[in-house]
Amino acid sequence: AQSVTQPDIHITVSEGASLELRCNYSYGATPYLFWYVQSPGQGLQLLLKYFSGDTLVQGIKGFEAEFKRSQSSFNLRKPSVHWSDAAEYFCAVASASGGSYIPTFGRGTSLIVHP
Amino acid sequence: NAGVTQTPKFQVLKTGQSMTLQCAQDMNHEYMSWYRQDPGMGLRLIHYSVGAGITDQGEVPNGYNVSRSTTEDFPLRLLSAAPSQTSVYFCASRGQGYTEAFFGQGTRLTVV
Repeated sequence: AQSVTQPDIHITVSEGASLELRCNYSYGATPYLFWYVQSPGQGLQLLLKYFSGDTLVQGIKGFEAEFKRSQSSFNLRKPSVHWSDAAEYFCAVASASGGSYIPTFGRGTSLIVHP
Repeated sequence: NAGVTQTPKFQVLKTGQSMTLQCAQDMNHEYMSWYRQDPGMGLRLIHYSVGAGITDQGEVPNGYNVSRSTTEDFPLRLLSAAPSQTSVYFCASRGQGYTEAFFGQGTRLTVV
């Protein structure tokens, strides 16, 4: 069965500092990987996704993520964090079971941005 | 386009009451799903549907029923609410192939 681990429950950074959120997945075949962001009281918004090809993917709001098969990781990065990036971030992996590609989500990482 | 619309946004139920959470999408997506979000637990799949007339259970289906009579709508029913069902519920839809899910704004349900 597929699973996703986000080892950090909370991450605190200063505005302008770089950011890396960790995500490790468990899945036998090539995974389909996603990062979502959830602002308070809102639904989830897709930041970026990886299906195949270039292992470094660019997303919205200046985010990027790198797929590393050897480490089963899909870490999210941003070179300079803005206060508006404070939110909950979810990594997800989808499998092609029955063609449904239902994603499994990690438990989330809460990003706190200090001025 | 409205995307995925959930109603209501907030609801308080008494134990044993029933209710239906509504979800509608206008993107002609075949795949729809319901998640619940609890603190520290991420999103857990309740039920999902791969098309009209087809539904299946997810990770935490007990206490919930679904049906899919049209492509647009995917209601979630609580037949006899329990305090353990206090949560935030999200509906999501996805098109065919390798695409991401689109989420509604969520329904915050409290069972007292």
